[in-house]
Amino acid sequence: QSMLTQPPSASETPGQSVTISCSGSYSNIGSNAVNWYQQHVPGTAPKVLIYSDNQRPSGVPDRFSGSKSDTSASLAISGLQSEDEADYSCAAWDDSLSAWVFGGGTKLTVL
Amino acid sequence: EVQLLESGGALVQPGGSLRLSCAASGFRFSEHAMSWVRRGPGKGLEWVAGISGGGLNIYYADSVTGRFTISRDNSRDTVYLQMTGLRADDTAVYHCAKSRLSVVRAKSGSRLNWFDPWGQGTLVTVSS
Repeated sequence: QSMLTQPPSASETPGQSVTISCSGSYSNIGSNAVNWYQQHVPGTAPKVLIYSDNQRPSGVPDRFSGSKSDTSASLAISGLQSEDEADYSCAAWDDSLSAWVFGGGTKLTVL
Repeated sequence: EVQLLESGGALVQPGGSLRLSCAASGFRFSEHAMSWVRRGPGKGLEWVAGISGGGLNIYYADSVTGRFTISRDNSRDTVYLQMTGLRADDTAVYHCAKSRLSVVRAKSGSRLNWFDPWGQGTLVTVSS
């Protein structure tokens, strides 16, 4: 059972926008920054998509954006493209557990 | 270029042991914490263990505490995961990941932490 809660799946057509939610608690999202990771295929290397709640690493298109409020965070993707089809996971440090906790991942399908 | 290459995955029987290795290159290894993160079949990513740059601070997920041991050899730029008492639910692809900071936790002062990059992973299958 994941400490952070995400919807297991999302789908949208190319060119449209989608938002993926990530819900936690005070000890994780409420106290620490949220990072988002993208993994195209299980067994390949995940990559950081958003760090520190809303920062994009160089090379990540500005179609991707992150936000956070209280104990919840969101990843928004606009202008969906076929290559955005992937699994998206949120993560945060949990002060009570002294551990990194992840969401269960959201499998995004671009129809 | 920063590279992480995991090895050591295998098919092992329940109750067995295995040691995973992650060889790093392209950065000052001792200045960064390292973690192991796994994804089981049909499951989400699960952080397993982390070790600080100097090796003094170590953290584990509750699910592996007492069974897994993380260690590092800064002279070899390698991090290890010794796994004992393996169970079927330990079956997963195990990735090593480099932390931005030398600490495992979320932040050091005002500086924030995340995993970048990750290795491609090594498959551990626990089955009789």
